[in-house]
Amino acid sequence: QSVLTQPPSVSGAPGQRVTISCTGSSSNIGAGYDVHWYQQLPGTAPKLLIYGNRNRPSGVPDRFSGSKSGTSASLAITGLQAEDEADYYCQSYDSSLSGAVFGGGTQLTVL
Amino acid sequence: EVQLVESGGGLVQPGRSLRLSCAASGFTFDDCAMHWVRQAPGKGLEWVSGISCNSDNRGYADSVKGRFSISRDDAKNTLYLHMNSLRPEDTALYYCAQGSETYYKTGYFHHWGQGTLVTVSS
Repeated sequence: QSVLTQPPSVSGAPGQRVTISCTGSSSNIGAGYDVHWYQQLPGTAPKLLIYGNRNRPSGVPDRFSGSKSGTSASLAITGLQAEDEADYYCQSYDSSLSGAVFGGGTQLTVL
Repeated sequence: EVQLVESGGGLVQPGRSLRLSCAASGFTFDDCAMHWVRQAPGKGLEWVSGISCNSDNRGYADSVKGRFSISRDDAKNTLYLHMNSLRPEDTALYYCAQGSETYYKTGYFHHWGQGTLVTVSS
């Protein structure tokens, strides 16, 4: 069981908006540690999507956005496209475990 | 362009050892913390270990503590993971990742390699 909790799957039609939640606790997100998001396309290595809760690396479309509040964070994807179909993972730091922690991952299906 | 190329994976019997390597290029290796992250077949990501840029600080997931050891050779721009007492549950694709900070406990995983597969089975 992952330290950070994500829904196993979400889906949406092309052009729609979806959100993926990431719920933690007082030893990670709630303690003020940043949340980062990764996209893993089928058969490939993970790629950094959002860092520092809401920042996009160069090359990531502004259709992707992140937010954080309390013990949770969210990834929003607007204007869904077929190529967004992938697994998405949130990540933070946990002070009790003294290391990085990931969510269990969310599989996005574009209908 | 940042490149991380892992090697050293393979099929190994339970209880045996293996050493993974990660050759880095395209950035100032000794300015960055480095990490190993693994992904069991069909499963999610799990942080395994991290090392700060000065090698003074290292951390491990509870699942590998006491069995795995991380090290780096800044002269060779290479990261290592020494894995001892391997178990079937260590079977996974092992990724090398560039840390965003100098200290391994903070930051995110900026760039990733393509991974090297470790299979622990008799």
